[in-house]
Amino acid sequence: QVQLQESGPRMVQPSETLSLTCAVSGYSITSGYSWAWIRQPPGKGLEWIGSVTHRGGTYYTPSLSSRLTISQDTSKNQFSLRLSSVTAADTAFYYCARRGSNDRTRRPYFFDFWGQGTPVTVSS
Amino acid sequence: EVVLTQSPGTLSLSPGERATLSCRASQSVIIDLAWYQRRPGQAPRLLVYGASSRATGIPDRFSGSGSGTNFTLTIDRLEPEDFAVYFCQQYGSSPVTFGQGTKVEIK
Repeated sequence: QVQLQESGPRMVQPSETLSLTCAVSGYSITSGYSWAWIRQPPGKGLEWIGSVTHRGGTYYTPSLSSRLTISQDTSKNQFSLRLSSVTAADTAFYYCARRGSNDRTRRPYFFDFWGQGTPVTVSS
Repeated sequence: EVVLTQSPGTLSLSPGERATLSCRASQSVIIDLAWYQRRPGQAPRLLVYGASSRATGIPDRFSGSGSGTNFTLTIDRLEPEDFAVYFCQQYGSSPVTFGQGTKVEIK
């Protein structure tokens, strides 16, 4: 069974960098699939923010692309999110998830496995 | 981007009753729609994809239907563990988008 688990600081100062890690078990992230970060701000719907492919390629939602970096740590079978220059608008519950198809494309798809999510608050 | 509108926001039902949840898309997504369940403290769980295909291990009391812009998730005979938040997601066009969710609560 594939399992994902997010970790990272729950509080970040405005203008600082938000860093989260998603540890994956039950599947090697370099074997296939793309691996995504999704967030849900308070009172709003879920928002896909970006993904990393099994080969380390990345694709991001345009509104965050200038501040966002997603990368792999293949030695630990995990992938990470770094979001710079955060503001209160980045306060959200952050999830990692696996794109549900191993078709080696970036075509939109559903997500078949998710982590429990972690809350992040941007506040001084 | 495609906007998904879920209704109702909250559904108050008793165990054993049927729940009918709606997800409406602002433009056609054909059948590229998924449903998820989220229980407090747990990872979201994929229930349905392709509008009507149940994911692995999902009980047959969960069923999805619809196409184009109107979709429904039906939960027959609610079990105690079914009281949760349900949200839809479209993957018919980029970027993927999600509905706001429907909370199914115990009446």
